[in-house]
Parts: sequence; C-alpha cells; structure tokens
Amino acid sequence: DAGITQSPRYKITETGRQVTLMCHQTWSHSYMFWYRQDLGHGLRLIYYSAAADITDKGEVPDGYVVSRSKTENFPLTLESATRSQTSVYFCASRPGQGENTEAFFGQGTRLTVV
Amino acid sequence: AQSVTQLGSHVSVSEGALVLLRCNYSSSVPPYLFWYVQYPNQGLQLLLKYTSAATLVKGINGFEAEFKKSETSFHLTKPSAHMSDAAEYFCAVSDLTNFGNEKLTFGTGTRLTIIP
Repeated sequence: DAGITQSPRYKITETGRQVTLMCHQTWSHSYMFWYRQDLGHGLRLIYYSAAADITDKGEVPDGYVVSRSKTENFPLTLESATRSQTSVYFCASRPGQGENTEAFFGQGTRLTVV
Repeated sequence: AQSVTQLGSHVSVSEGALVLLRCNYSSSVPPYLFWYVQYPNQGLQLLLKYTSAATLVKGINGFEAEFKKSETSFHLTKPSAHMSDAAEYFCAVSDLTNFGNEKLTFGTGTRLTIIP
C-alpha cells in the first residue's frame, strides 16, 4: 500500500535496552523526519534527513541514532532506552522544500519504557 | 531558528459557534506556515498552508487562516463548529537550517473541544 507506515504501533521495553522504530514510505520523498509528541510540548523534532545518507539533528537528538541507507526507510534507534523516552513517536516525509510541499505523517508508535 | 506560539492549550466552543485558534510566529521574513490537525490515535493531517500568493488561505473542512505580517500571526478560524472538529490542532513553521535544508517546527498544540 502506498503511504508512510510505522512499526511497531505499540512497544513496551525495559530501561537500558536498545529499541528500533521503523519508518517506511513508498513515495520516494527526499525528506524524512522523526518527532516525539509529549503532553505540553507538542511535537519536537528528533532527527531529520534531506536524502539518503544525509541526516541532521533536530531539537532533542540526545539518546537517539538514525540512519538512512535507502530513500524509503528511516529507522530511529534508542541505544539505551530511558523512562524519559516514553512518548509517542511520529515519522513524516515530504517531497522537497518550499511553500508548496506538504509533510505526510505516519500513524505513530507509542513507546513505553519501564 | 524560527518558532511558533499557540495561545491556549485548550479551547472549548459550542456547536455552531465560531472557532478561533491562535498562532504567532517569530520571523523577520515571511515564513512558510502550516496548520495540522490530529484526531485521536492518529497521525497529523494537513489542514492548510500559507503560500505567498494570498494572505487568506482556505483549507479542508471549512477552515481558513489569515496571514498578518504586521501582527506576525496566522490564526485558524471556522465560522461554525461541528462536533467532528474536536481534535488537536498544531501550527507549524518551516525553518531553514544552516545546511540550507528545511525542517518543520511545531507549536505545542491546541486541543479543541466542541460542546453540544
């Protein structure tokens, strides 16, 4: 199916474990983003990517790692999960830059770190 | 870096009443601005976007927003609220990074409740 999909939708993990959240888009969009959504903070940018093998930090990158070896995939890894990383994570993609480009969002991954 | 401020984390209006959700941006040049809506347990969906062609922007579901440079505002309005409008609304601004790439920065969101 065309679109942007995240997996898993729900994940519970223990403190200190490594966990990877997957994001896949079928449009070949250049840009991809990872956000976390927390009450009172709205959406905060973790990392983004302008193209394959090009990534950059966002507002809250500490504790996260990303890679983008293929245009369609943009996995987010929590190297050693902490309780403060309990959140809802959204992946997004957009075709390019400028006023006429829209970002498309996945359904989100609800991560709980216990 | 550019930012947006949404005034009011919660707004309640009666069904049929005017909806007004406030967003102010910080920028010395006209930015690219967006409003997104998030329904429960879903991702974000674009409502409308500001293009330099027109200051009054019409979006989906009867929403519109007016870009006012003098007030650095991009408030979202709808003349008559419907129960289906209950959701969380996010204002966003597109920001150029030092590498010349764009990234979206979101406000903290406004939860809209519709009173029957």
